[in-house]
Amino acid sequence: GAGVSQSPSNKVTEKGKDVELRCDPISGHTALYWYRQSLGQGLEFLIYFQGNSAPDKSGLPSDRFSAERTGGSVSTLTIQRTQQEDSAVYLCASSVSPNTGELFFGEGSRLTVL
Amino acid sequence: SQQGEEDPQALSIQEGENATMNCSYKTSINNLQWYRQNSGRGLVHLILIRSNEREKHSGRLRVTLDTSKKSSSLLITASRAADTASYFCATIAGGTSYGKLTFGQGTILTVHP
Repeated sequence: GAGVSQSPSNKVTEKGKDVELRCDPISGHTALYWYRQSLGQGLEFLIYFQGNSAPDKSGLPSDRFSAERTGGSVSTLTIQRTQQEDSAVYLCASSVSPNTGELFFGEGSRLTVL
Repeated sequence: SQQGEEDPQALSIQEGENATMNCSYKTSINNLQWYRQNSGRGLVHLILIRSNEREKHSGRLRVTLDTSKKSSSLLITASRAADTASYFCATIAGGTSYGKLTFGQGTILTVHP
């Protein structure tokens, strides 16, 4: 596609359930990022993938969070045993390479944990 | 903790006026970027300034960078109602080999028609 695509756009789940959020980056972009944005807040870095290198997971808030990137393209962010504090917008971004700097963002997946 | 901190947190102006937003950061950087976010949408890249640059222009946008003060400013001239959005600065720390961007808390700009 022309831009970064994220799905679902909205997800409402019950506390304790697992959720999967998907990101389809721009074709040819080697770097992929996940950020979390709570209401009215800035962006919190979660995880970063670059090519075949080991991902930078330094921002994942707990071991309930994990992400993978298959075939160097599509990425899935998984949150296990969701908690109410996980409610946020999860933003995915990609870039041509890590050193160009400019990130292209998707529209985000809004997660609400009841 | 966030690398960049913007001020003011909120700015309200009339159409046609200039809007200035500031960003401070803590560590040395490779570059600093500004992004805009319309309500409920993803972020859009506006401009990037490298650590060896002091000023950069793009249309109605002017960005300055003072590495000695670890600060940057974004000036939007002749503002329009369509400029209403949140504006974030983001930095890539110096010395890193990858492009991990760290974002500030943002400035909410409201331009009244």
